[in-house]
Amino acid sequence: AQSVTQPDIHITVSEGASLELRCNYSYGATPYLFWYVQSPGQGLQLLLKYFSGDTLVQGIKGFEAEFKRSQSSFNLRKPSVHWSDAAEYFCAVGGDDYKLSFGAGTTVTVRA
Amino acid sequence: GAGVSQSPRYKVAKRGQDVALRCDPISGHVSLFWYQQALGQGPEFLTYFQNEAQLDKSGLPSDRFFAERPEGSVSTLKIQRTQQEDSAVYLCASSLVAGGPADTQYFGPGTRLTVL
Repeated sequence: AQSVTQPDIHITVSEGASLELRCNYSYGATPYLFWYVQSPGQGLQLLLKYFSGDTLVQGIKGFEAEFKRSQSSFNLRKPSVHWSDAAEYFCAVGGDDYKLSFGAGTTVTVRA
Repeated sequence: GAGVSQSPRYKVAKRGQDVALRCDPISGHVSLFWYQQALGQGPEFLTYFQNEAQLDKSGLPSDRFFAERPEGSVSTLKIQRTQQEDSAVYLCASSLVAGGPADTQYFGPGTRLTVL
């Protein structure tokens, strides 16, 4: 079975600064990897996904993530954070079926 | 177009009551999923439908939980004799084709259930 660890429960970043959220996964084969964002009162919105190919994936809202097989990681980055990026971010892994396993999430606070 | 909708958005139940949570998936989506998200945790898989067939209910925590999708569109998650540990946000997601890891799941806003 697959699993995900998000080591950081809460991150505070200044507006305009860069952001990196960590994600480590456990899966025996090539995983399917996802990052979702959840704003208060909203559903989960897909930011980006990795299936194969280029290990640097571009997503919506200026986010990107890099798959590193050797480190079992799929970290999310954004060069310059906007106040509207304050939300909870979830990394998820899928295996060879339809089930997604999510991490516990990282809450991002943006300070002015 | 319209996304996944869920109702009610908030539900307060007394312990022992039965509740029913509704999910309207994106029109034409074949696959439908239910997840449970406890406070401070990520969503956890409950059950999966492909059209009207419930192909996987391995995540349902007990036999008090029951889900259906009789006409292959709207789905209802029912919890009988609610307990305090059932308090959580229940998320519904749908995807266009038969479930597979490559198919994007689109999530609704969730129903926050509080059992007193």
